[in-house]
Amino acid sequence: DVKVTQSSRYLVKRTGEKVFLECVQDMDHENMFWYRQDPGLGLRLIYFSYDVKMKEKGDIPEGYSVSREKKERFSLILESASTNQTSMYLCASTSLSEKLFFGSGTQLSVL
Amino acid sequence: AQTVTQSQPEMSVQEAETVTLSCTYDTSESDYYLFWYKQPPSRQMILVIRQEAYKQQNATENRFSVNFQKAAKSFSLKISDSQLGDAAMYFCAYRSRSNYKLTFGKGTLLTVNP
Repeated sequence: DVKVTQSSRYLVKRTGEKVFLECVQDMDHENMFWYRQDPGLGLRLIYFSYDVKMKEKGDIPEGYSVSREKKERFSLILESASTNQTSMYLCASTSLSEKLFFGSGTQLSVL
Repeated sequence: AQTVTQSQPEMSVQEAETVTLSCTYDTSESDYYLFWYKQPPSRQMILVIRQEAYKQQNATENRFSVNFQKAAKSFSLKISDSQLGDAAMYFCAYRSRSNYKLTFGKGTLLTVNP
């Protein structure tokens, strides 16, 4: 069965900390995505990757970076976490089909 | 840039009744996909239904069907015989055929009353 796994379901961090959100997929998908979900704003794309070591900015990349060293893993990095980055983060992947497979999300609180 | 608009932040329906969720989108492209995703309290995003823009026929999946109006750029979701398990946040989404990036609307929270 298809699986996209996000390393943490809930995470609490302090302002200024460096934060890593990890996502792993077991479907050999080329394309991976990081979305941020906020009430009343829906899902907004932060970054995406079409292949290993390839990345492209989405709609709201400011304050974030990403890493894709291996095909199955796509990491989202908050270099210096701020309170306005408190949100739910969703990872997704897809291959040639148009269906997007999502992880279960990481609820990040920055205090 | 493509935009997706869901004008109903919240909707409610009685169990066994029918409800329609609205979605409009803006694009200059002619070939694309449209989707409805469901997100229950578990937070897992579930694909409900998809529509390919070049297909005139409206997609259906059991109790879920869409009304796709390409000229009007409208893509509404109809849920028939609503069940308590249909209660969730519903997101409309757009994807160009030329890339895999999905653009989402802000969502509609559906409540199903017993």
